[in-house]
Amino acid sequence: QQPVQSPQAVILREGEDAVINCSSSKALYSVHWYRQKHGEAPVFLMILLKGGEQKGHEKISASFNEKKQQSSLYLTASQLSYSGTYFCGTGYNQGGKLIFGQGTELSVKP
Amino acid sequence: DAGVTQSPTHLIKTRGQHVTLRCSPISGHKSVSWYQQVLGQGPQFIFQYYEKEERGRGNFPDRFSARQFPNYSSELNVNALLLGDSALYLCASSFLTGVQPQHFGDGTRLSIL
Repeated sequence: QQPVQSPQAVILREGEDAVINCSSSKALYSVHWYRQKHGEAPVFLMILLKGGEQKGHEKISASFNEKKQQSSLYLTASQLSYSGTYFCGTGYNQGGKLIFGQGTELSVKP
Repeated sequence: DAGVTQSPTHLIKTRGQHVTLRCSPISGHKSVSWYQQVLGQGPQFIFQYYEKEERGRGNFPDRFSARQFPNYSSELNVNALLLGDSALYLCASSFLTGVQPQHFGDGTRLSIL
Protein backbone atom coordinates (compact mmCIF):
# COMPACT_ATOMS: atom_id res chain seq x y z
CA GLN A 1 0.00 0.00 0.00
CA GLN A 2 3.02 2.28 0.38
CA PRO A 3 3.23 4.66 -2.58
CA VAL A 4 6.25 4.34 -4.83
CA GLN A 5 8.35 7.41 -5.51
CA SER A 6 10.67 7.85 -8.44
CA PRO A 7 13.45 8.61 -8.91
CA GLN A 8 15.05 7.57 -5.62
CA ALA A 9 17.67 10.29 -5.99
CA VAL A 10 18.47 13.11 -8.36
CA ILE A 11 21.34 15.57 -8.67
CA LEU A 12 20.77 18.92 -10.32
CA ARG A 13 22.72 22.04 -11.13
CA GLU A 14 21.24 25.32 -9.99
CA GLY A 15 18.61 26.46 -12.47
CA GLU A 16 17.74 22.99 -13.75
CA ASP A 17 14.29 21.43 -13.51
CA ALA A 18 13.19 18.19 -11.84
CA VAL A 19 10.10 16.02 -11.64
CA ILE A 20 9.35 13.64 -8.78
CA ASN A 21 6.62 11.06 -9.18
CA CYS A 22 4.45 9.34 -6.60
CA SER A 23 2.40 6.31 -7.67
CA SER A 24 -0.19 4.34 -5.79
CA SER A 25 -1.65 0.90 -6.51
CA LYS A 26 -4.83 1.91 -4.69
CA ALA A 27 -7.30 4.69 -5.52
CA LEU A 28 -6.08 7.96 -4.03
CA TYR A 29 -8.15 10.59 -2.28
CA SER A 30 -5.38 13.04 -1.52
CA VAL A 31 -1.64 13.49 -1.98
CA HIS A 32 0.47 15.56 0.39
CA TRP A 33 4.00 16.71 -0.44
CA TYR A 34 6.70 17.42 2.14
CA ARG A 35 10.38 18.33 2.05
CA GLN A 36 12.75 17.21 4.79
CA LYS A 37 16.27 18.50 5.19
CA HIS A 38 18.82 16.40 7.01
CA GLY A 39 18.24 16.47 10.76
CA GLU A 40 15.11 18.58 10.45
CA ALA A 41 11.35 18.05 10.53
CA PRO A 42 9.39 17.50 7.32
CA VAL A 43 7.98 20.78 6.00
CA PHE A 44 4.56 20.90 4.35
CA LEU A 45 4.54 21.95 0.68
CA MET A 46 1.04 21.30 -0.65
CA ILE A 47 -2.02 19.04 -0.74
CA LEU A 48 -3.82 17.84 -3.84
CA LEU A 49 -7.26 16.27 -3.84
CA LYS A 50 -8.60 13.83 -6.39
CA GLY A 51 -9.97 15.63 -9.39
CA GLY A 52 -6.79 16.09 -11.39
CA GLU A 53 -6.07 19.57 -10.13
CA GLN A 54 -2.73 21.24 -10.26
CA LYS A 55 -1.44 23.43 -7.49
CA GLY A 56 1.66 25.35 -6.77
CA HIS A 57 3.33 28.59 -6.06
CA GLU A 58 6.31 30.22 -7.71
CA LYS A 59 8.61 27.49 -8.92
CA ILE A 60 7.20 24.44 -7.12
CA SER A 61 3.98 22.92 -8.37
CA ALA A 62 2.26 19.55 -8.45
CA SER A 63 -0.39 17.66 -10.36
CA PHE A 64 -2.71 14.78 -9.55
CA ASN A 65 -3.62 12.29 -12.28
CA GLU A 66 -6.62 10.40 -11.00
CA LYS A 67 -6.64 7.91 -13.88
CA LYS A 68 -3.06 6.88 -13.22
CA GLN A 69 -3.34 7.24 -9.41
CA GLN A 70 -0.22 9.31 -9.59
CA SER A 71 1.00 12.70 -8.48
CA SER A 72 3.99 14.57 -9.82
CA LEU A 73 5.96 17.35 -8.12
CA TYR A 74 7.60 19.86 -10.45
CA LEU A 75 10.57 21.95 -9.37
CA THR A 76 11.62 24.53 -11.92
CA ALA A 77 14.76 26.67 -12.00
CA SER A 78 16.01 24.85 -8.90
CA GLN A 79 17.79 26.72 -6.13
CA LEU A 80 20.32 25.44 -3.60
CA SER A 81 17.61 25.68 -0.94
CA TYR A 82 15.56 23.02 -2.74
CA SER A 83 17.99 20.32 -1.62
CA GLY A 84 16.49 17.73 0.70
CA THR A 85 14.39 14.61 0.68
CA TYR A 86 10.91 14.92 -0.80
CA PHE A 87 8.15 12.69 0.49
CA CYS A 88 4.67 12.15 -0.81
CA GLY A 89 2.04 11.17 1.72
CA THR A 90 -1.07 9.50 0.35
CA GLY A 91 -4.56 9.56 1.79
CA TYR A 92 -7.18 7.05 0.75
CA ASN A 93 -10.25 8.60 2.36
CA GLN A 94 -11.36 11.75 4.14
CA GLY A 95 -9.49 10.77 7.29
CA GLY A 96 -6.11 12.15 8.27
CA LYS A 97 -4.02 8.97 8.01
CA LEU A 98 -1.14 9.36 5.59
CA ILE A 99 1.01 6.65 4.06
CA PHE A 100 4.40 8.07 3.06
CA GLY A 101 6.61 6.96 0.21
CA GLN A 102 10.24 6.09 0.69
CA GLY A 103 11.38 9.55 -0.37
CA THR A 104 13.34 11.13 -3.21
CA GLU A 105 16.68 12.69 -2.32
CA LEU A 106 17.28 15.88 -4.29
CA SER A 107 20.69 17.55 -4.37
CA VAL A 108 21.16 20.91 -6.05
CA LYS A 109 24.75 21.83 -6.80
CA PRO A 110 26.11 25.32 -7.60
CA ASP B 1 3.82 31.67 17.20
CA ALA B 2 5.47 28.51 18.45
CA GLY B 3 5.45 25.49 16.22
CA VAL B 4 4.95 21.90 17.28
CA THR B 5 7.19 21.15 20.24
CA GLN B 6 8.35 17.71 21.27
CA SER B 7 10.22 16.50 24.30
CA PRO B 8 12.69 15.13 24.96
CA THR B 9 14.83 15.69 21.86
CA HIS B 10 16.98 12.64 22.48
CA LEU B 11 16.48 9.58 24.63
CA ILE B 12 18.51 6.45 25.28
CA LYS B 13 16.81 3.40 26.75
CA THR B 14 17.55 -0.29 27.12
CA ARG B 15 15.50 -3.22 25.91
CA GLY B 16 12.42 -3.95 27.99
CA GLN B 17 12.09 -0.44 29.37
CA HIS B 18 9.16 1.91 28.89
CA VAL B 19 9.23 5.38 27.33
CA THR B 20 6.87 8.37 27.19
CA LEU B 21 7.22 10.99 24.47
CA ARG B 22 5.42 14.31 24.62
CA CYS B 23 4.04 16.69 22.03
CA SER B 24 2.49 20.15 22.19
CA PRO B 25 0.63 21.14 19.02
CA ILE B 26 0.53 24.54 17.39
CA SER B 27 -1.85 26.81 19.28
CA GLY B 28 -5.38 26.30 17.96
CA HIS B 29 -4.66 22.92 16.42
CA LYS B 30 -6.92 20.17 17.72
CA SER B 31 -5.50 17.12 15.99
CA VAL B 32 -2.23 15.35 16.70
CA SER B 33 -0.66 12.50 14.76
CA TRP B 34 2.35 10.37 15.64
CA TYR B 35 4.81 8.91 13.15
CA GLN B 36 7.87 6.69 13.39
CA GLN B 37 10.71 7.44 10.98
CA VAL B 38 13.53 4.98 10.55
CA LEU B 39 16.70 6.32 8.95
CA GLY B 40 16.40 6.44 5.18
CA GLN B 41 12.64 5.86 5.10
CA GLY B 42 9.49 7.91 5.09
CA PRO B 43 7.47 8.53 8.26
CA GLN B 44 5.20 5.64 9.22
CA PHE B 45 1.80 6.46 10.72
CA ILE B 46 1.21 5.30 14.31
CA PHE B 47 -1.81 7.19 15.68
CA GLN B 48 -4.05 10.16 15.10
CA TYR B 49 -6.03 11.87 17.85
CA TYR B 50 -8.69 14.53 17.52
CA GLU B 51 -10.60 16.07 20.42
CA LYS B 52 -9.07 13.44 22.74
CA GLU B 53 -10.40 10.54 20.70
CA GLU B 54 -8.36 8.11 18.63
CA ARG B 55 -9.23 8.65 14.97
CA GLY B 56 -6.74 6.34 13.34
CA ARG B 57 -4.21 3.67 14.14
CA GLY B 58 -1.36 2.32 12.05
CA ASN B 59 0.07 -1.17 11.93
CA PHE B 60 1.92 -1.08 15.24
CA PRO B 61 1.77 -3.59 18.12
CA ASP B 62 -0.22 -2.97 21.30
CA ARG B 63 3.01 -1.97 23.03
CA PHE B 64 2.38 1.41 21.43
CA SER B 65 -0.32 3.59 22.96
CA ALA B 66 -1.15 7.27 23.02
CA ARG B 67 -3.53 9.76 24.45
CA GLN B 68 -4.53 13.38 23.99
CA PHE B 69 -5.23 15.77 26.82
CA PRO B 70 -7.89 18.52 27.14
CA ASN B 71 -5.27 21.13 26.12
CA TYR B 72 -4.69 19.05 22.93
CA SER B 73 -1.17 18.03 23.89
CA SER B 74 -0.38 14.36 23.47
CA GLU B 75 1.75 11.54 24.80
CA LEU B 76 3.05 8.48 23.01
CA ASN B 77 3.90 5.53 25.22
CA VAL B 78 5.94 2.52 24.20
CA ASN B 79 6.28 -0.49 26.50
CA ALA B 80 8.74 -3.38 26.48
CA LEU B 81 11.14 -1.58 24.16
CA LEU B 82 12.85 -3.56 21.42
CA LEU B 83 15.99 -2.72 19.47
CA GLY B 84 13.79 -2.18 16.43
CA ASP B 85 11.99 0.68 18.15
CA SER B 86 15.06 2.84 17.64
CA ALA B 87 13.88 5.66 15.39
CA LEU B 88 12.90 9.30 15.13
CA TYR B 89 9.40 9.79 16.50
CA LEU B 90 7.60 12.68 14.91
CA CYS B 91 4.51 14.47 16.08
CA ALA B 92 2.40 16.47 13.64
CA SER B 93 -0.51 18.76 14.40
CA SER B 94 -3.33 20.03 12.24
CA PHE B 95 -6.22 22.37 12.83
CA LEU B 96 -8.83 19.68 12.28
CA THR B 97 -8.83 16.03 11.41
CA GLY B 98 -9.28 14.92 7.82
CA VAL B 99 -7.41 16.22 4.81
CA GLN B 100 -5.38 18.97 6.43
CA PRO B 101 -1.80 20.24 6.26
CA GLN B 102 0.12 18.51 9.00
CA HIS B 103 2.88 20.49 10.68
CA PHE B 104 5.68 18.42 12.12
CA GLY B 105 7.79 18.91 15.21
CA ASP B 106 11.53 18.26 15.21
CA GLY B 107 10.99 14.82 16.70
CA THR B 108 12.41 12.72 19.50
CA ARG B 109 15.40 10.58 18.61
CA LEU B 110 14.99 7.30 20.54
CA SER B 111 17.91 4.92 20.77
CA ILE B 112 17.52 1.46 22.28
CA LEU B 113 20.64 -0.29 23.58
